[in-house]
Amino acid sequence: QVQLVQSGAEVKKPGASVKVSCKVSGNSLSEISLHWVRQAPGKGLEWMGGHDFEDGETTYAQKFQGRVTMTEDTSTDTAYMELNSLRFEDTAMYFCAVDLIGLDPWGQGTLVTVSS
Amino acid sequence: QFVLTQPPSASGTPGQRVTISCSGSSSDIGSNYVYWYQQFPGAAPQLLIYRGNERSSGVPDRFSGSKSGTSASLAISGLRSEDEADYYCATWDDSLNGWVFGGGTKLTVL
Repeated sequence: QVQLVQSGAEVKKPGASVKVSCKVSGNSLSEISLHWVRQAPGKGLEWMGGHDFEDGETTYAQKFQGRVTMTEDTSTDTAYMELNSLRFEDTAMYFCAVDLIGLDPWGQGTLVTVSS
Repeated sequence: QFVLTQPPSASGTPGQRVTISCSGSSSDIGSNYVYWYQQFPGAAPQLLIYRGNERSSGVPDRFSGSKSGTSASLAISGLRSEDEADYYCATWDDSLNGWVFGGGTKLTVL
């Protein structure tokens, strides 16, 4: 059974970058499609992008194009999501999730707080 | 703001049947399976319904999903206090080439 464990909470200043990790166990990262979804406090879920292992493509939501980079280290089965030029409105819980039959399972989430 | 449209809130009394709607378009719900997620405060979303009407492992048969055209619904029968949570619909959007979500529905058990 696939399990995802994410890195700990981060506090960043506006303009900085943050890199969140997502460690996969129970399956090889090279054999699954992994996506990133964020949720601002009290708000809904927002898809940021993801990697499709079948075609090897990484797709980003238009809103984050140019500001987000999703990478994978298959030697450690760890995926990364880096978001640059952080703004106050990027304060959110960031989740990784496996796309097998729908987005499931999810990591526990990483809280990123952007504060001056 | 959200591609899929859900009512912000729903409510019912214990034992009642409640439905939550999710409206989309031809490029999302109209072309792809719908998924439903349950989220409790402070926790990650959990998959309830996949491929429109299949229950995820461990999900009681009180939960059911359906779809008609560009709309979908989640029905919860025999409502229980532990069903009080936020519910999200989701699907793949062929035009946006990504996952899209509804804004979420907060279910209150009165």
